[in-house]
Amino acid sequence: SQQGEEDPQALSIQEGENATMNCSYKTSINNLQWYRQNSGRGLVHLILIRSNEREKHSGRLRVTLDTSKKSSSLLITASRAADTASYFCATDTNTGGFKTIFGAGTRLFVKA
Amino acid sequence: EPEVTQTPSHQVTQMGQEVILRCVPISNHLYFYWYRQILGQKVEFLVSFYNNEISEKSEIFDDQFSVERPDGSNFTLKIRSTKLEDSAMYFCASSDWGGAFFGQGTRLTVV
Repeated sequence: SQQGEEDPQALSIQEGENATMNCSYKTSINNLQWYRQNSGRGLVHLILIRSNEREKHSGRLRVTLDTSKKSSSLLITASRAADTASYFCATDTNTGGFKTIFGAGTRLFVKA
Repeated sequence: EPEVTQTPSHQVTQMGQEVILRCVPISNHLYFYWYRQILGQKVEFLVSFYNNEISEKSEIFDDQFSVERPDGSNFTLKIRSTKLEDSAMYFCASSDWGGAFFGQGTRLTVV
């Protein structure tokens, strides 16, 4: 079954604005991770939040997790043109093995 | 900073040929994974590997695929007889309890 689903599918903002992306998932998780992918490139690990954490910060990134609603959000503050990329949430599930299931991603475009 | 490395970055192969994609996971990680991403589509889980055996695999990972950890550092994905639809980016990842870290990927083009 599908795990992470990001919302919105695409987001276009001006440089300096904040960008908020949401992720919903369906089953219990151990961890939730956010990744960035520039077009045609690799996946860059941004931040991991554990199921017993509610909020985490890393530089301009702020991630929240609401396990009761099975949702997470990624906030990028003071966005820059270089933040233009696709952002994915991914959930780890321990179901006899570890795997990270990705959503379809949010395509963020930051206009200079 | 430790990273996952993958080689080659781009591989072109003829349909029906065997390919081996190579990965060097982060050295103290115990869990290894392969994913693929067809152009413009989402990242799909293929297989996870722990303690020298497959711990989980997806429907995509059929008999044409195999993985191996031939020594203490490499982790390989073999596709025995490539098809056109195998063309994709293939990502290797490794993890401990701190999240999965990905390599830059190998772009496989089957012609």
